[in-house]
Amino acid sequence: EPEVTQTPSHQVTQMGQEVILRCVPISNHLYFYWYRQILGQKVEFLVSFYNNEISEKSEIFDDQFSVERPDGSNFTLKIRSTKLEDSAMYFCASSQWGGELFFGEGSRLTVL
Amino acid sequence: QKEVEQNSGPLSVPEGAIASLNCTYSDRGSQSFFWYRQYSGKSPELIMSIYSNGDKEDGRFTAQLNKASQYVSLLIRDSQPSDSATYLCAVNGEGSSNTGKLIFGQGTTLQVKP
Repeated sequence: EPEVTQTPSHQVTQMGQEVILRCVPISNHLYFYWYRQILGQKVEFLVSFYNNEISEKSEIFDDQFSVERPDGSNFTLKIRSTKLEDSAMYFCASSQWGGELFFGEGSRLTVL
Repeated sequence: QKEVEQNSGPLSVPEGAIASLNCTYSDRGSQSFFWYRQYSGKSPELIMSIYSNGDKEDGRFTAQLNKASQYVSLLIRDSQPSDSATYLCAVNGEGSSNTGKLIFGQGTTLQVKP
């Protein structure tokens, strides 16, 4: 069964460092997303991406965040200068038509 | 502020019983409704989607939607210990139907006791 894959599964970084989280969405999906979940809290929307551009973003997704689809398969989330409060599980998701979302296993980011 | 509310639980049911999970949402323009299951430390896994009023059944799962009451529920029949997880209700709002932005509830923790 096709699945969304994410790397790394866990990243530890120092505050102020740049982090790139990578995702390979399901191959015939057209919509791509990043969500995050701080430990014990709700899953929160960060950004949606369609047709090589951001279609919607949340207030969380400020200038420190960026997304890119550098080739036909990868979808990346970059955090330019990490803060302690960026520590969370980051989930990539994809969707064929913008409806049902399928999530990857997540990348746990720990900022020290 | 669009909200999705769930009772955090835990909801404890004996094996073989019916588990009933409930969710309310604030955005009357919401069009799409989803139930996800999340095991501890894992990612959300899609169980059901529902888009129109009424019931939708898939195996042991039945989703129920009442847009007038802004209420969506999930019934799990013949509950098994492997169903023990957190169940997340997710809703997309008016204007977000084509972007896939979902608003998640806090989740209800279900414990199925053998």
